Amino acid sequence: RKEVEQDPGPFNVPEGATVAFNCTYSNSASQSFFWYRQDCRKEPKLLMSVYSSGNEDGRFTAQLNRASQYISLLIRDSKLSDSATYLCVVIGGGSTLGRLYFGRGTQLTVWP
Amino acid sequence: NAGVTQTPKFRVLKTGQSMTLLCAQDMNHEYMYWYRQDPGMGLRLIHYSVGEGTTAKGEVPDGYNVSRLKKQNFLLGLESAAPSQTSVYFCASSYSRTGLGNTGELFFGEGSRLTVL
Repeated sequence: RKEVEQDPGPFNVPEGATVAFNCTYSNSASQSFFWYRQDCRKEPKLLMSVYSSGNEDGRFTAQLNRASQYISLLIRDSKLSDSATYLCVVIGGGSTLGRLYFGRGTQLTVWP
Repeated sequence: NAGVTQTPKFRVLKTGQSMTLLCAQDMNHEYMYWYRQDPGMGLRLIHYSVGEGTTAKGEVPDGYNVSRLKKQNFLLGLESAAPSQTSVYFCASSYSRTGLGNTGELFFGEGSRLTVL
């Protein structure tokens, strides 16, 4: 079983739509969680961290569910510029402390 | 501010040839990493370094060697390239070890696209 699993999509949504991605992780000792964004043929960049209490940054909301071992990213009022691949990243715990695990990414296309 | 710079950005090799990818960062980061990204596979860690003069194996180290002679540079070498090493290679750096109380943010270079024929 892979450390981090994501639905690869693609998700195709119209401008203004709300879209949500989920990501599951296998190691219950995992320490920290993040969402990265990767534009086509570009490098990944940190979008936001995911905190236990949930956190919001403008139109983006990230949630963590430790009991079910998944994290989510909600994008409200989608913009054309949100089109990208969103990578779920988990930092391992226990025997894998400090190790970064990347999901394969979820592709989002926002159309006019 | 350049951040993380990778050279070359594109390269085509024949099977058996050797080459070196150079990564340079100007942020005084201790930790540096080499990843490869293949379609449907996500990012996989090849080697990493926790400081000048140190290197360690990642998830897929076979066929690669690395060196960190200077803090700002991390070199990835392919001694005898194989078609299976056709990929996009990303270098990244971070201020401190991920998972130990920091933000977990990695700063990536723009990537190096390698094709092995």
